Amino acid sequence: RKEVEQDPGPFNVPEGATVAFNCTYSNSASQSFFWYRQDCRKEPKLLMSVYSSGNEDGRFTAQLNRASQYISLLIRDSKLSDSATYLCVVTAGGYNKLIFGAGTRLAVHP
Amino acid sequence: DAGVIQSPRHEVTEMGQEVTLRCKPISGHNSLFWYRQTMMRGLELLIYFNNNVPIDDSGMPEDRFSAKMPNASFSTLKIQPSEPRDSAVYFCASSHSGLANEQFFGPGTRLTVL
Repeated sequence: RKEVEQDPGPFNVPEGATVAFNCTYSNSASQSFFWYRQDCRKEPKLLMSVYSSGNEDGRFTAQLNRASQYISLLIRDSKLSDSATYLCVVTAGGYNKLIFGAGTRLAVHP
Repeated sequence: DAGVIQSPRHEVTEMGQEVTLRCKPISGHNSLFWYRQTMMRGLELLIYFNNNVPIDDSGMPEDRFSAKMPNASFSTLKIQPSEPRDSAVYFCASSHSGLANEQFFGPGTRLTVL
């Protein structure tokens, strides 16, 4: 079983749509959780951290369910510029090693 | 501020040749990571340095791979001899270990071994 599992997609949605991505992780000891975004042929960049209480950053909402070991990302009012691969990331080990999921690809069309 | 700098951006070489990838982390960051990304395996951590000391090299695939960090502003990843299965994008990332674990990635080196 992979340490971090994501639906690879692609999710093809029209502009303005709301889209949700899910992710599950296997290590119950993981302490920190993130969503990274990776544009085609570019490096990953931090999109947002994920907190137990849930957190929102503009059109983006992230939620964590520790009991189910499940993380989600909700994007409201999708823009063309949101097209990218979204990587679910959890930490492991004493030094907070990042474990990356394989990513979910989002394509927003006009 | 300059981000993480990697060179070369692209490298095409023949099987058996030595390849050296270079990384300059963000000034003030004390953690440095080398990753490899392929379609099949996704993003994999190869090695992690903290304060220039290798902490975890369990992701280094085999003895053909080696990494050094002689000072806080420079690291190398060497593959000798290279093989076609080493073809991938190699990312270097740095972070300040005290700051919420955000890692800043360089633009990557796209390696093709023929």
